[in-house]
Amino acid sequence: AQTVTQSQPEMSVQEAETVTLSCTYDTSESNYYLFWYKQPPSRQMILVIRQEAYKQQNATENRFSVNFQKAAKSFSLKISDSQLGDTAMYFCAFKTSGSRLTFGEGTQLTVNP
Amino acid sequence: EPEVTQTPSHQVTQMGQEVILRCVPISNHLYFYWYRQILGQKVEFLVSFYNNEISEKSEIFDDQFSVERPDGSNFTLKIRSTKLEDSAMYFCASSEALSFSFGAGTRLSVL
Repeated sequence: AQTVTQSQPEMSVQEAETVTLSCTYDTSESNYYLFWYKQPPSRQMILVIRQEAYKQQNATENRFSVNFQKAAKSFSLKISDSQLGDTAMYFCAFKTSGSRLTFGEGTQLTVNP
Repeated sequence: EPEVTQTPSHQVTQMGQEVILRCVPISNHLYFYWYRQILGQKVEFLVSFYNNEISEKSEIFDDQFSVERPDGSNFTLKIRSTKLEDSAMYFCASSEALSFSFGAGTRLSVL
């Protein structure tokens, strides 16, 4: 069975600073996909970034980038130039083709002015 | 951009009543899912649906729950006799290959 672990229940960062959220996972599959979702107070699930395991290059989306370490089964999210609107719960998630999405416990990020 | 739509956005019901949560997945997606999130907790998988049948379900998805695709567009989750602990946000999702989309959720409040 696949598991996803986020060891940081809460984090905070000053506006304009950089923060990194950690995620580790466990699987015996060789082909899979990793995601970071943002959940603001509205509770909608918003896709932030995704990474295909077969791609060695780390995904980036504007201020968001990942550090994907396949051997270590680590998938951290870096947020640069943090903005107040980045305050949200962030979930790391894992999926193989045709299967469900498995979520970590979440990290509550607060961006302070 | 196509999106998953869920209705209602908020459902209030009395304990023991039946509720039906509705979802319209993205039209070219083949896999459909229901997830649940109790306030302050992680997002939990309930059930996945493919080719008009359940492909996987969690231990949460007991006999009180059922899913149905009554026509070519809707995907529903029924809870037969609601309990207080069923109060949660329920998310519908659909996927095709790497594309995985969530609806905005239905907040279910059981009184």
